[in-house]
Amino acid sequence: IAGITQAPTSQILAAGRRMTLRCTQDMRHNAMYWYRQDLGLGLRLIHYSNTAGTTGKGEVPDGYSVSRANTDDFPLTLASAVPSQTSVYFCASSRSGNNEQFFGPGTRLTVL
Amino acid sequence: EDQVTQSPEALRLQEGESSSLNCSYTVSGLRGLFWYRQDPGKGPEFLFTLYSAGEEKEKERLKATLTKKESFLHITAPKPEDSATYLCAVQSPGNQFYFGTGTSLTVIP
Repeated sequence: IAGITQAPTSQILAAGRRMTLRCTQDMRHNAMYWYRQDLGLGLRLIHYSNTAGTTGKGEVPDGYSVSRANTDDFPLTLASAVPSQTSVYFCASSRSGNNEQFFGPGTRLTVL
Repeated sequence: EDQVTQSPEALRLQEGESSSLNCSYTVSGLRGLFWYRQDPGKGPEFLFTLYSAGEEKEKERLKATLTKKESFLHITAPKPEDSATYLCAVQSPGNQFYFGTGTSLTVIP
């Protein structure tokens, strides 16, 4: 593979359930990001990681957690999903924190 | 508060009709301004990065410029395949990225 993969492509989830969105990149990029995209609001940063072992909070981190155990993977976990977390989620990576970001294909999540 | 505003929200052009998209921003200590293209159902695709006022970048029919308060994406003689949503993003000193809501461009043959 070349680039960023996300899984699942789409998911319907009952409120209160736990869900992990997966993101893997094979470009050996140091920095990785999670965004959500909502109509009328644009892309909003949830969490980021500048390098393996470190994470930081973005603009809308509440209700989400991330980990960065290695360079390639950056999973996003919703501990107890709520309907307001219905969105399209994009993972991205960049060579470093100052470079252009490469985006994955997205995960469409619906919380009922 | 750091903000990014894009205008217009939507733009319809005839093929060959040049125009410009605007991205206005308020951020203290801009670290970079980024332009992306997004096609329906896909992730954004990187176009340009601008770091300082006066800087310009070009790629095919697109040219991006930057001032201290705004950036323009100029589209010269657009073709139908240029139809997409164009997103602008800024990076703040706190390593936060803020995206605008985009301009949806439709180029009519």
